[in-house]
Amino acid sequence: TQLLEQSPQFLSIQEGENLTVYCNSSSVFSSLQWYRQEPGEGPVLLVTVVTGGEVKKLKRLTFQFGDARKDSSLHITAAQPGDTGLYLCAGVYNQGGKLIFGQGTELSVKP
Amino acid sequence: DAGVIQSPRHEVTEMGQEVTLRCKPISGHDYLFWYRQTMMRGLELLIYFNNNVPIDDSGMPEDRFSAKMPNASFSTLKIQPSEPRDSAVYFCASSRGTPLSTDTQYFGPGTRLTVL
Repeated sequence: TQLLEQSPQFLSIQEGENLTVYCNSSSVFSSLQWYRQEPGEGPVLLVTVVTGGEVKKLKRLTFQFGDARKDSSLHITAAQPGDTGLYLCAGVYNQGGKLIFGQGTELSVKP
Repeated sequence: DAGVIQSPRHEVTEMGQEVTLRCKPISGHDYLFWYRQTMMRGLELLIYFNNNVPIDDSGMPEDRFSAKMPNASFSTLKIQPSEPRDSAVYFCASSRGTPLSTDTQYFGPGTRLTVL
């Protein structure tokens, strides 16, 4: 079974703080995606990382893909209330070619 | 573009009843995915289609679940008979290519199913 562990599960912080969410697996990903989901809506893709060691930035969000392509992190700088939501990582393994989702991180940013 | 359309948005039914969830993918997308999301198990892939043909249904929990895609613009997920443990949010997603191609999957708004 290909397991994708995401941590922390819940995060409640004040506006302006920084935070990091982690996504780990014992298996190698062919690619990894990060999604954000708001209540009552479907997940929306934020970024896809493919190359080991890759770093992508999306405004205040920084995404890293581990060198061995087994882990990834999402770092948010100076969080804002609008960042509140469920953040999901999803990995693609070469076998099967399906998206396997982590359990998600519920982020709450208080003003 | 209207995005992925799902109906109904909410469904409340009693145990033993048949439930049919509907999905219209984005035009031109060759892949359609059905997912289920619960607090306990997170977001799980149930089945996906390529050009209307089911490719992988290994995530379908049991024989009570069935999915069809009669044409490129319509798919259904049916549960018969429904049970309380089927209560979840069901998402449909579509993409041009497989996840291996890193093509984006676009998710619909979901159907929240409650089985009493």
